[in-house]
Amino acid sequence: ETGVTQTPRHLVMGMTNKKSLKCEQHLGHNAMYWYKQSAKKPLELMFVYNFKEQTENNSVPSRFSPECPNSSHLFLHLHTLQPEDSALYLCASSQDWQGGEQFFGPGTRLTVL
Amino acid sequence: GQQLNQSPQSMFIQEGEDVSMNCTSSSIFNTWLWYKQDPGEGPVLLIALYKAGELTSNGRLTAQFGITRKDSFLNISASIPSDVGIYFCAGRNPNRDDKIIFGKGTRLHILP
Repeated sequence: ETGVTQTPRHLVMGMTNKKSLKCEQHLGHNAMYWYKQSAKKPLELMFVYNFKEQTENNSVPSRFSPECPNSSHLFLHLHTLQPEDSALYLCASSQDWQGGEQFFGPGTRLTVL
Repeated sequence: GQQLNQSPQSMFIQEGEDVSMNCTSSSIFNTWLWYKQDPGEGPVLLIALYKAGELTSNGRLTAQFGITRKDSFLNISASIPSDVGIYFCAGRNPNRDDKIIFGKGTRLHILP
């Protein structure tokens, strides 16, 4: 595997379900990001991790819970989501959070019923 | 929060035409990035710019870092059907801890 990978690519869940999104980067980067992309809206930065430490949380509801066990892996745990949370969730990584280009994964298309 | 002004929002062109889009900011940036996103996929980095005035090409794509450090443009020459997608600019603002900020995107449509 190369670059940034995300699983699953598609996820349908009910509002009472608990699920997790996974991201893995094979680039040796130290910073990882979660973005939300809704239809006809700009990319919304959700969380930033630098060297496994969370450096940014852009007022994201607590029903989204990130986890970064090491610099290569990032998770987004989901519980009691709302239909308006349906979106494309993108993971990205960069050398560190203050420099370098960001490289994106293919995203997880989430649908909340 | 701060935003990048990316224009146009959408473009409809004929195959073979040249395309130009740009991003502007009220603040100076020390990095400009251009991405392309295909439907259902993540954005892919096209060109990265690090110096004011820098002009960089990637095949039929050319991007420039504005002299004022507050703007950047992307040109696509002789467009082909696979150029369809959303193009995003992004920049790093040294006055905001070098955090990356994205524009809202330019959606490119190519007419048959």
